[in-house]
Amino acid sequence: AQKITQTQPGMFVQEKEAVTLDCTYDTSDPSYGLFWYKQPSSGEMIFLIYQGSYDQQNATEGRYSLNFQKARKSANLVISASQLGDSAMYFCAMREGGNQGGKLIFGQGTELSVKP
Amino acid sequence: GAGVSQSPSNKVTEKGKDVELRCDPISGHTALYWYRQSLGQGLEFLIYFQGNSAPDKSGLPSDRFSAERTGGSVSTLTIQRTQQEDSAVYLCASSLKWRGASNQPQHFGDGTRLSIL
Repeated sequence: AQKITQTQPGMFVQEKEAVTLDCTYDTSDPSYGLFWYKQPSSGEMIFLIYQGSYDQQNATEGRYSLNFQKARKSANLVISASQLGDSAMYFCAMREGGNQGGKLIFGQGTELSVKP
Repeated sequence: GAGVSQSPSNKVTEKGKDVELRCDPISGHTALYWYRQSLGQGLEFLIYFQGNSAPDKSGLPSDRFSAERTGGSVSTLTIQRTQQEDSAVYLCASSLKWRGASNQPQHFGDGTRLSIL
């Protein structure tokens, strides 16, 4: 069963607008972490934001925020005031607890294009 | 400080040849991971090293793939008798030792783009 689902293969947003990238996950482990990474066309993976399963508040990092709805098992990324440099692939990933060793399970990604 | 360093950045080889990919993690990071990214796809876990513990090899796709980590630092991923389906970007990541649901992100290198002719 797919553990991380990103249902939007591609998204467009107007510069300076906000955009939400969807991510749902599946796990029976009570201890887990959720990550968002950005991959520009140059290929590097850039860590953006993290949400732990026990965190009471939604994570925020500058223009990035994570809309964490634990009961619905969703962890959507919100980018406010989009910039042209935000155009990239965005990956949601999960790290489970227990003896899983910390490996990340990635979704298929969402390609975001910011229009001027 | 230096990030995760991978070499070579690009590798083109003929089917059936062996290849070695190198990863130098961030200093002080005890956990090291290898992932593979095929064209237009997400990342697929291959193998994980943590300190002196036995590596987690559960993601290796076949026995042609192996990896080692010497002295708890540099790691080498070896692919023997390469096949065309091995063509992909191989990404290495490192992190501090992970505990529970704590925030210890994995930091990635720029990857090795492997092309099998």
